[in-house]
Amino acid sequence: GEDVEQSLFLSVREGDSSVINCTYTDSSSTYLYWYKQEPGAGLQLLTYIFSNMDMKQDQRLTVLLNKKDKHLSLRIADTQTGDSAIYFCAESMGKGNLIFGKGTKLSVKP
Amino acid sequence: ETGVTQTPRHLVMGMTNKKSLKCEQHLGHNAMYWYKQSAKKPLELMFVYSLEERVENNSVPSRFSPECPNSSHLFLHLHTLQPEDSALYLCASSQFLAGTDTQYFGPGTRLTVL
Repeated sequence: GEDVEQSLFLSVREGDSSVINCTYTDSSSTYLYWYKQEPGAGLQLLTYIFSNMDMKQDQRLTVLLNKKDKHLSLRIADTQTGDSAIYFCAESMGKGNLIFGKGTKLSVKP
Repeated sequence: ETGVTQTPRHLVMGMTNKKSLKCEQHLGHNAMYWYKQSAKKPLELMFVYSLEERVENNSVPSRFSPECPNSSHLFLHLHTLQPEDSALYLCASSQFLAGTDTQYFGPGTRLTVL
Protein backbone atom coordinates (compact mmCIF):
# COMPACT_ATOMS: atom_id res chain seq x y z
CA GLY A 1 0.00 0.00 0.00
CA GLU A 2 0.93 3.64 0.02
CA ASP A 3 2.97 4.50 3.08
CA VAL A 4 5.72 6.98 3.83
CA GLU A 5 7.56 6.37 7.09
CA GLN A 6 9.62 8.80 9.13
CA SER A 7 10.93 8.80 12.66
CA LEU A 8 8.90 11.23 14.76
CA PHE A 9 11.63 13.10 16.62
CA LEU A 10 15.23 14.25 16.18
CA SER A 11 17.25 16.39 18.57
CA VAL A 12 20.59 17.95 17.69
CA ARG A 13 22.90 20.67 19.01
CA GLU A 14 23.31 23.95 17.20
CA GLY A 15 26.13 23.73 14.67
CA ASP A 16 25.84 19.96 14.23
CA SER A 17 24.46 18.27 11.12
CA SER A 18 20.93 16.88 11.17
CA VAL A 19 19.91 13.86 9.13
CA ILE A 20 16.23 13.13 8.69
CA ASN A 21 15.35 9.80 7.12
CA CYS A 22 12.32 8.62 5.18
CA THR A 23 11.24 5.40 3.50
CA TYR A 24 8.57 5.18 0.85
CA THR A 25 6.80 2.32 -0.87
CA ASP A 26 5.95 3.23 -4.46
CA SER A 27 8.91 2.60 -6.74
CA SER A 28 7.14 4.42 -9.58
CA SER A 29 7.23 7.77 -7.77
CA THR A 30 8.83 10.33 -10.04
CA TYR A 31 9.46 13.09 -7.53
CA LEU A 32 10.14 13.06 -3.81
CA TYR A 33 9.81 16.17 -1.68
CA TRP A 34 10.86 17.62 1.62
CA TYR A 35 8.58 20.18 3.23
CA LYS A 36 9.11 22.18 6.43
CA GLN A 37 6.35 23.27 8.79
CA GLU A 38 7.00 25.85 11.49
CA PRO A 39 4.53 26.28 14.38
CA GLY A 40 1.28 27.87 13.26
CA ALA A 41 2.27 27.87 9.61
CA GLY A 42 1.56 25.90 6.48
CA LEU A 43 4.02 23.66 4.68
CA GLN A 44 6.99 25.29 3.00
CA LEU A 45 8.70 23.46 0.15
CA LEU A 46 12.37 22.96 1.00
CA THR A 47 13.63 20.88 -1.87
CA TYR A 48 12.73 17.99 -4.14
CA ILE A 49 14.58 15.32 -6.07
CA PHE A 50 13.76 13.53 -9.30
CA SER A 51 13.81 9.79 -9.03
CA ASN A 52 16.67 9.34 -11.51
CA MET A 53 19.02 11.37 -9.28
CA ASP A 54 21.06 10.06 -6.36
CA MET A 55 21.86 13.35 -4.71
CA LYS A 56 20.88 16.98 -4.79
CA GLN A 57 22.59 19.78 -2.90
CA ASP A 58 21.12 23.19 -2.21
CA GLN A 59 23.19 25.38 0.13
CA ARG A 60 22.99 23.74 3.59
CA LEU A 61 20.60 21.03 2.38
CA THR A 62 21.66 17.71 0.87
CA VAL A 63 19.12 15.15 -0.31
CA LEU A 64 20.20 11.56 -0.85
CA LEU A 65 18.03 9.04 -2.66
CA ASN A 66 18.57 5.29 -2.59
CA LYS A 67 15.99 4.08 -5.07
CA LYS A 68 16.83 0.41 -4.54
CA ASP A 69 16.03 0.63 -0.83
CA LYS A 70 13.33 3.32 -1.33
CA HIS A 71 15.14 5.48 1.19
CA LEU A 72 15.32 9.26 1.16
CA SER A 73 17.29 11.45 3.53
CA LEU A 74 17.65 15.16 4.19
CA ARG A 75 20.87 16.44 5.69
CA ILE A 76 20.99 19.95 7.14
CA ALA A 77 24.52 21.19 7.66
CA ASP A 78 25.37 23.60 10.50
CA THR A 79 21.90 23.29 12.01
CA GLN A 80 20.56 26.51 13.55
CA THR A 81 17.80 27.13 16.10
CA GLY A 82 15.73 28.55 13.24
CA ASP A 83 15.73 25.10 11.66
CA SER A 84 13.56 23.79 14.50
CA ALA A 85 10.35 22.64 12.82
CA ILE A 86 8.54 19.55 11.57
CA TYR A 87 9.96 18.11 8.36
CA PHE A 88 7.72 16.12 6.02
CA CYS A 89 8.81 13.69 3.36
CA ALA A 90 6.35 13.20 0.47
CA GLU A 91 6.22 11.03 -2.63
CA SER A 92 4.35 11.95 -5.78
CA MET A 93 1.75 9.47 -6.99
CA GLY A 94 0.88 11.56 -10.05
CA LYS A 95 -2.10 13.80 -10.82
CA GLY A 96 -1.28 16.04 -7.89
CA ASN A 97 -1.55 13.23 -5.36
CA LEU A 98 1.20 13.56 -2.75
CA ILE A 99 1.55 10.97 0.01
CA PHE A 100 3.08 12.48 3.13
CA GLY A 101 4.85 10.94 6.07
CA LYS A 102 3.78 11.89 9.60
CA GLY A 103 6.66 14.32 9.90
CA THR A 104 9.87 14.46 11.95
CA LYS A 105 10.03 17.08 14.66
CA LEU A 106 13.52 18.56 14.71
CA SER A 107 14.61 20.23 17.95
CA VAL A 108 17.81 22.25 17.90
CA LYS A 109 19.44 22.91 21.26
CA PRO A 110 21.80 25.88 21.76
CA GLU B 1 4.70 34.19 2.03
CA THR B 2 3.94 31.47 -0.51
CA GLY B 3 1.28 33.28 -2.56
CA VAL B 4 -1.51 31.16 -1.09
CA THR B 5 -3.73 32.79 1.53
CA GLN B 6 -6.38 31.24 3.72
CA THR B 7 -9.13 32.78 5.83
CA PRO B 8 -10.01 32.59 8.59
CA ARG B 9 -6.84 31.45 10.31
CA HIS B 10 -8.81 30.13 13.29
CA LEU B 11 -12.43 28.98 13.50
CA VAL B 12 -14.48 27.60 16.37
CA MET B 13 -17.90 26.21 15.50
CA GLY B 14 -20.65 24.15 17.01
CA MET B 15 -21.85 20.92 15.46
CA THR B 16 -24.99 22.56 14.09
CA ASN B 17 -23.27 25.57 12.51
CA LYS B 18 -22.54 26.19 8.84
CA LYS B 19 -19.27 27.90 7.97
CA SER B 20 -16.93 28.22 5.01
CA LEU B 21 -13.16 28.22 4.64
CA LYS B 22 -11.63 30.32 1.88
CA CYS B 23 -8.42 29.88 -0.05
CA GLU B 24 -6.96 32.23 -2.65
CA GLN B 25 -3.84 31.76 -4.72
CA HIS B 26 -1.98 34.60 -6.45
CA LEU B 27 0.38 32.39 -8.44
CA GLY B 28 -1.58 31.86 -11.65
CA HIS B 29 -1.87 28.14 -10.93
CA ASN B 30 -4.47 25.83 -12.41
CA ALA B 31 -4.81 23.17 -9.71
CA MET B 32 -5.92 23.59 -6.09
CA TYR B 33 -6.14 21.17 -3.19
CA TRP B 34 -7.67 20.76 0.27
CA TYR B 35 -5.77 18.75 2.88
CA LYS B 36 -6.64 17.83 6.45
CA GLN B 37 -3.85 17.72 9.03
CA SER B 38 -4.78 15.98 12.27
CA ALA B 39 -2.51 15.40 15.22
CA LYS B 40 -0.31 12.32 14.89
CA LYS B 41 -1.64 11.44 11.42
CA PRO B 42 -0.18 12.06 7.97
CA LEU B 43 -1.63 14.84 5.85
CA GLU B 44 -4.79 13.58 4.17
CA LEU B 45 -5.67 14.78 0.69
CA MET B 46 -9.37 15.65 0.62
CA PHE B 47 -10.16 17.25 -2.73
CA VAL B 48 -8.33 18.18 -5.92
CA TYR B 49 -9.52 20.70 -8.49
CA SER B 50 -7.98 21.20 -11.90
CA LEU B 51 -9.20 24.05 -14.11
CA GLU B 52 -12.17 24.45 -11.78
CA GLU B 53 -13.29 20.82 -12.11
CA ARG B 54 -13.12 18.39 -9.22
CA VAL B 55 -10.86 15.49 -10.14
CA GLU B 56 -10.38 13.82 -6.79
CA ASN B 57 -12.55 13.18 -3.77
CA ASN B 58 -10.80 10.94 -1.29
CA SER B 59 -13.89 9.45 0.35
CA VAL B 60 -14.61 12.64 2.24
CA PRO B 61 -17.92 12.78 4.16
CA SER B 62 -20.62 14.89 2.56
CA ARG B 63 -20.58 17.33 5.49
CA PHE B 64 -17.54 18.78 3.68
CA SER B 65 -18.52 20.44 0.40
CA PRO B 66 -15.85 22.07 -1.80
CA GLU B 67 -16.44 24.81 -4.35
CA CYS B 68 -14.06 26.21 -6.94
CA PRO B 69 -15.68 29.21 -8.69
CA ASN B 70 -12.50 30.09 -10.61
CA SER B 71 -8.90 28.97 -10.75
CA SER B 72 -7.82 31.46 -8.06
CA HIS B 73 -10.37 30.64 -5.38
CA LEU B 74 -11.31 27.51 -3.48
CA PHE B 75 -13.85 27.16 -0.71
CA LEU B 76 -14.66 24.41 1.75
CA HIS B 77 -18.22 24.61 3.06
CA LEU B 78 -18.77 22.96 6.40
CA HIS B 79 -22.05 21.83 7.96
CA THR B 80 -23.03 19.57 10.86
CA LEU B 81 -19.41 18.72 11.63
CA GLN B 82 -18.26 16.33 14.34
CA PRO B 83 -15.64 16.98 17.05
CA GLU B 84 -13.27 14.56 15.24
CA ASP B 85 -13.27 17.01 12.31
CA SER B 86 -11.21 19.40 14.42
CA ALA B 87 -7.90 19.80 12.58
CA LEU B 88 -5.73 22.13 10.55
CA TYR B 89 -7.14 22.48 7.04
CA LEU B 90 -4.52 23.33 4.46
CA CYS B 91 -5.03 24.62 0.97
CA ALA B 92 -2.40 24.19 -1.74
CA SER B 93 -2.00 25.04 -5.39
CA SER B 94 0.22 23.90 -8.26
CA GLN B 95 0.75 24.96 -11.85
CA PHE B 96 -0.85 21.83 -13.25
CA LEU B 97 -1.81 18.37 -12.01
CA ALA B 98 1.31 16.58 -13.23
CA GLY B 99 3.30 14.69 -10.61
CA THR B 100 6.21 17.00 -11.31
CA ASP B 101 4.34 20.10 -10.24
CA THR B 102 5.32 21.45 -6.86
CA GLN B 103 2.49 22.25 -4.50
CA TYR B 104 2.56 25.52 -2.58
CA PHE B 105 0.68 25.60 0.70
CA GLY B 106 -1.25 28.26 2.54
CA PRO B 107 -0.88 28.79 6.30
CA GLY B 108 -3.99 26.77 7.11
CA THR B 109 -7.21 27.26 9.06
CA ARG B 110 -7.21 25.80 12.55
CA LEU B 111 -10.74 24.43 13.01
CA THR B 112 -12.19 23.45 16.37
CA VAL B 113 -15.60 21.76 16.48
CA LEU B 114 -17.30 21.86 19.86
